[in-house]
Amino acid sequence: DTGVSQNPRHKITKRGQNVTFRCDPISEHNRLYWYRQTLGQGPEFLTYFQNEAQLEKSRLLSDRFSAERPKGSFSTLEIQRTEQGDSAMYLCASSSTRTGLAFFGQGTRLTVV
Amino acid sequence: AQKVTQAQTEISVVEKEDVTLDCVYETRDTTYYLFWYKQPPSGELVFLIRRNSFDEQNEISGRYSWNFQKSTSSFNFTITASQVVDSAVYFCALSDALYNQGGKLIFGQGTELSVKP
Repeated sequence: DTGVSQNPRHKITKRGQNVTFRCDPISEHNRLYWYRQTLGQGPEFLTYFQNEAQLEKSRLLSDRFSAERPKGSFSTLEIQRTEQGDSAMYLCASSSTRTGLAFFGQGTRLTVV
Repeated sequence: AQKVTQAQTEISVVEKEDVTLDCVYETRDTTYYLFWYKQPPSGELVFLIRRNSFDEQNEISGRYSWNFQKSTSSFNFTITASQVVDSAVYFCALSDALYNQGGKLIFGQGTELSVKP
């Protein structure tokens, strides 16, 4: 499978716990994006990497959120001290600078109880 | 500020009916890109079309067609002879040229299409 892969697909956690999600982009893509999608809404941009550099962060990305892409390949998104409001689908996308077109993974659905 | 509005939250049609999903956008950029994505229940966003702001030609792909009108800032999507497999949430999205034709996208709220047999 050569698409964008996200793990885990589902995560249930207790309020206050830390969680980490992983995204493996399409192998030749140097750009990687994280989005958050709450129920009944469209995805909202969180952050963007070009290779290993994090080039933009949305105001939605509070201090409890951190994203990394250490070797310019896979990326992780960590949420510390989760809150019920963090419950959402977290989507990852990747693109190449050649075409710019983003391809999305199937997302990680987070439920904070 | 950039914004995408999909005024239709839910649409329900019977199979074989034609259906049009509306999309209105706002941007101050002269160069921008418009997209439609499909999100089936599995959650993955499936790319359908990308159109740049200089190309107002309508496009047809099988049962799908798109009508781009800069004068009204609209980029509507029509499915002809709808099928049950078309049932999904459809998103219209906007990107500026800085992000190289896509990637950082501003999405509308989505339109949930239900096609009944």
